[in-house]
Amino acid sequence: AQSVAQPEDQVNVAEGNPLTVKCTYSVSGNPYLFWYVQYPNRGLQFLLKYITGDNLVKGSYGFEAEFNKSQTSFHLKKPSALVSDSALYFCAVRRTYSSASKIIFGSGTRLSIRP
Amino acid sequence: EAGVTQFPSHSVIEKGQTVTLRCDPISGHDNLYWYRRVMGKEIKFLLHFVKESKQDESGMPNNRFLAERTGGTYSTLKVQPAELEDSGVYFCASSLQTGGPHEQYFGPGTRLTVT
Repeated sequence: AQSVAQPEDQVNVAEGNPLTVKCTYSVSGNPYLFWYVQYPNRGLQFLLKYITGDNLVKGSYGFEAEFNKSQTSFHLKKPSALVSDSALYFCAVRRTYSSASKIIFGSGTRLSIRP
Repeated sequence: EAGVTQFPSHSVIEKGQTVTLRCDPISGHDNLYWYRRVMGKEIKFLLHFVKESKQDESGMPNNRFLAERTGGTYSTLKVQPAELEDSGVYFCASSLQTGGPHEQYFGPGTRLTVT
């Protein structure tokens, strides 16, 4: 069965420190990988995606994610956290065949940045 | 460009009642998706429309759920009769193309509470 695991329900980081939100996946083949963020009372916003090529992808708001095929991981990172980064983050995958449509999400990680 | 909109933002109903959720996708997006997040768990796929046709409804939990997209524009998701376990946040998303690395654009969600 296809699945996405976010092992941490919550991550707490001090402002200015680097942050990492972990994600691993179990999907056959080479899926597309995504990170979405949900701010309070807002919808899911796309942050970044991995399709192919360079294992480090850069996205919105200074976030980046590192793809590791051998570990089937796609961890979200940011060198210096801001209080405004506090939100709920979802890792997601989608299979790559042409008719694939549905996104498979992880359970989400709440990121809390303290001043 | 207006994003994906959903109505209502919040609905509280009693068990056994009927509720209809509405989603207006981004103009020109043929693909429309419904997802839901129950009890703080992962966001799960419900179904996918391409224009007015159901492309994939493998995620629909049971026959109490009915989704329609007459005319290929907005979509409704009806729950009848609602049960306690239907409580959660229902997200709608749209995309220009089917499959591929294209991100889906999400609405703010409808929070459904069944008492």
